[in-house]
Amino acid sequence: DAKTTQPTSMDCAEGRAANLPCNHSTISGNEYVYWYRQIHSQGPQYIIHGLKNNETNEMASLIITEDRKSSTLILPHATLRDTAVYYCIVRVAERNQGGKLIFGQGTELSVKP
Amino acid sequence: GAVVSQHPSWVICKSGTSVKIECRSLDFQATTMFWYRQFPKQSLMLMATSNEGSKATYEQGVEKDKFLINHASLTLSTLTVTSAHPEDSSFYICSARDLRNSYTEAFFGQGTRLTVV
Repeated sequence: DAKTTQPTSMDCAEGRAANLPCNHSTISGNEYVYWYRQIHSQGPQYIIHGLKNNETNEMASLIITEDRKSSTLILPHATLRDTAVYYCIVRVAERNQGGKLIFGQGTELSVKP
Repeated sequence: GAVVSQHPSWVICKSGTSVKIECRSLDFQATTMFWYRQFPKQSLMLMATSNEGSKATYEQGVEKDKFLINHASLTLSTLTVTSAHPEDSSFYICSARDLRNSYTEAFFGQGTRLTVV
């Protein structure tokens, strides 16, 4: 699976949009971009995933560049409860590939009042 | 999203004893479960992948005789830490997926904090 690069930490003001970048310059054509987050001392929580089109759900938006070498997770109105470590993971989705997720170091997002 | 439950949430055990951690998928059938370990201030490290009814596949460097994994049904997998030592103290997290559908995401349990004294 392709490696990802994320900033170690970011701050965001409460109520503002949080934009978390991820570089995945070696991504393959059949690899998806997944985002998870982990609030302290809890298991990771799925946020969103995409292949090449931008995606939006009730939690966040995912913007993938046209060359697919980078993406941005957007939390439109960050709250204090969004303080967590955010992981960007790229992997193939086909079932014969095992489906395992390999976590990098992630970005520690601190939302401040 | 789907619910994955781990039990216990935390456990303290004496050095040399064994500890069993359960991971259950409550509202879907998990063809595959994954076990991770996380040390303080570090990311999740994949330990092993288990498919229902098959032997687990362990990641490089993980001792299969020390970390026994059983996945006997589509809703339950267990991780047993045998002859636990203080260095096994960690946060253990399971994840479950139904790989009959390629595009489902993985769901995670809430984790089990193991302290070996």
